[in-house]
Amino acid sequence: GAVVSQHPSRVICKSGTSVKIECRSLDFQATTMFWYRQFPKQSLMLMATSNEGSKATYEQGVEKDKFLINHASLTLSTLTVTSAHPEDSSFYICSAREEAANYGYTFGSGTRLTVV
Amino acid sequence: GDSVTQMEGPVTLSEEAFLTINCTYTATGYPSLFWYVQYPGEGLQLLLKATKADDKGSNKGFEATYRKETTSFHLEKGSVQVSDSAVYFCALMSGGSARQLTFGSGTQLTVLP
Repeated sequence: GAVVSQHPSRVICKSGTSVKIECRSLDFQATTMFWYRQFPKQSLMLMATSNEGSKATYEQGVEKDKFLINHASLTLSTLTVTSAHPEDSSFYICSAREEAANYGYTFGSGTRLTVV
Repeated sequence: GDSVTQMEGPVTLSEEAFLTINCTYTATGYPSLFWYVQYPGEGLQLLLKATKADDKGSNKGFEATYRKETTSFHLEKGSVQVSDSAVYFCALMSGGSARQLTFGSGTQLTVLP
């Protein structure tokens, strides 16, 4: 079945630095990918919808200059957390939609970001 | 807008007990409904889905029936196992070009041996 690979699974960075998270669809093409943020013991909050070859669509309240999304190919979307601060520490999950699978969604395994 | 209301947890059950996790939704049109499961430190895995009224989704002993009249999609399992311990999310997807998922708040299930 469809597989989405998310990397890294865990990252610790210093305040002020930037961190890039990759999301790859391994065996299908994904014109649309989604980025979520999950706080401890809470649900997933959609941050943005990433569209291949065009600008991402950000949800209300999400800073586009803070969370840079690039979807340059049909199999790769990246989320860059710029000038990270401790409050950016969270679990980030990507999801890709396989059009051929009747709009089925596949999720990556998530990235635990800790900013110190 | 679309929303999903899910039974609050945590839920703690003994092995072989019956499980019900309630889920109701508000949406325009006829959404597709999903249950996802999240094991500790991992992403989400699709557990089951239903795309139209009266459909029953089932997988690994779990079942949920799309009830349009009560706008519900309750998750059930007749006999839970310790390995079922996880967080369960109810979700819906409405029509439209974006086809985004809207999630419930999640329910933590712990099954004790």
